[in-house]
Amino acid sequence: QTVVTQEPSFSVSPGGTVTLTCGLNSGSVSTNYFPSWYQQTPGQAPRTLIYSTNTRSSGVPDRFSGSILGNKAALTITGAQADDESDYYCVLCMSSGIWVFGGGTKLTVL
Amino acid sequence: QVQLVESGGGVVQPGGSLRLSCAASGFTFSSYGMHWVRQAPGKGLEWVTFIRFDGSNKYYADSVKGRFTISRDSSKNTLYLQMNSLKTEDTAFYYCAKAVGATVRTSFDYWGQGTLVTVSS
Repeated sequence: QTVVTQEPSFSVSPGGTVTLTCGLNSGSVSTNYFPSWYQQTPGQAPRTLIYSTNTRSSGVPDRFSGSILGNKAALTITGAQADDESDYYCVLCMSSGIWVFGGGTKLTVL
Repeated sequence: QVQLVESGGGVVQPGGSLRLSCAASGFTFSSYGMHWVRQAPGKGLEWVTFIRFDGSNKYYADSVKGRFTISRDSSKNTLYLQMNSLKTEDTAFYYCAKAVGATVRTSFDYWGQGTLVTVSS
């Protein structure tokens, strides 16, 4: 069974930089998985940050960036702000066409 | 601007059926694939299903295969999710999401606000 892994929680200081990762329980993540990242605050619909590894969605500030780091996809937030405190989800597209989300990372800014 | 508005959620008994709709505007609906994603209360996101821009290919998560059917009507700019044989574990907010492109191997960029489906006796 395919499992997409994310850190359950992370903390960053205001103004700091944090990198969240998205991996696979078996194998490496590459651009062929079209990794994408979403931000969600309680009670709200998800908001798209990054799709297809590193394409920023419309209106997303450039302090959010996506990449492949080693064998994982990564979301880097530079100059963290208080309103970046959210849940972050990644999703990968398997070769079968099935999409699988990670369990999400709860980011705290303090 | 892109707008996606889901409707049709509600309370249904186990074994029952429900049809969700997603009204799309602000883009050429017939040119893009569409996804459904769900989220159980307090839990993470789960991808449910995808339909190609022309309706010719559909993909389903194992958890809903054989019970849920995705469809679209480009004359009405509307996406549908027919849910049959509902189980308590199908209780969730259901979001429709626009694909970045026409086929399954493109992610989702715009999301609706979601509609809540509660399966309970």
